[in-house]
Amino acid sequence: GAVVSQHPSWVICKSGTSVKIECRSLDFQATTMFWYRQFPKQSLMLMATSNEGSKATYEQGVEKDKFLINHASLTLSTLTVTSAHPEDSSFYICSAEAGVNTGELFFGEGSRLTVL
Amino acid sequence: GNSVTQMEGPVTLSEEAFLTINCTYTATGYPSLFWYVQYPGEGLQLLLKATKADDKGSNKGFEATYRKETTSFHLEKGSVQVSDSAVYFCALSASQGGKLIFGQGTELSVKP
Repeated sequence: GAVVSQHPSWVICKSGTSVKIECRSLDFQATTMFWYRQFPKQSLMLMATSNEGSKATYEQGVEKDKFLINHASLTLSTLTVTSAHPEDSSFYICSAEAGVNTGELFFGEGSRLTVL
Repeated sequence: GNSVTQMEGPVTLSEEAFLTINCTYTATGYPSLFWYVQYPGEGLQLLLKATKADDKGSNKGFEATYRKETTSFHLEKGSVQVSDSAVYFCALSASQGGKLIFGQGTELSVKP
């Protein structure tokens, strides 16, 4: 089946630094990718919808200047957590939609960010 | 707004036991409903889905029926295996495309 890969799978950084997480669709093109955040024992919270070649659409309450999303190609979206703080520590998951408006989603393995 | 509520876990069962994981939803219109499964160390995978009322999704022995009158989409399996141990997420999509709203997930642990 289709594969979506995230990198890094885990990262530890100091408070105040920025961290970039990549989401790649390995064997299909994805016009749309989604970024989620998952807290322990809680649901996946949609952060933003990433559209290739245009600005991301952020969900209410998500700081767009804090979580920068870039979708420069049909196989790559990046999430940059800027000036990270301990409260940004979380599990970040991306998904990529195969085709356009198909609803067929493939998920990455997730990236665990720990901010010290 | 749209939301999904799942029964809390963890759920611990013996092999060959019957499984039910409850899921109810709140949504405007007619959403599509999904169950995703996340095995340890892996990404979420689509387990089954239903796109309209009374549809039954099924896969790998799991079933769920879209019940509009009770706004539910409970996941069932007649005989679980150790390999079914995972976290199960109920989700809905209220619009065309891939924007999903997830429940909090239910961890299932099956003991031999």
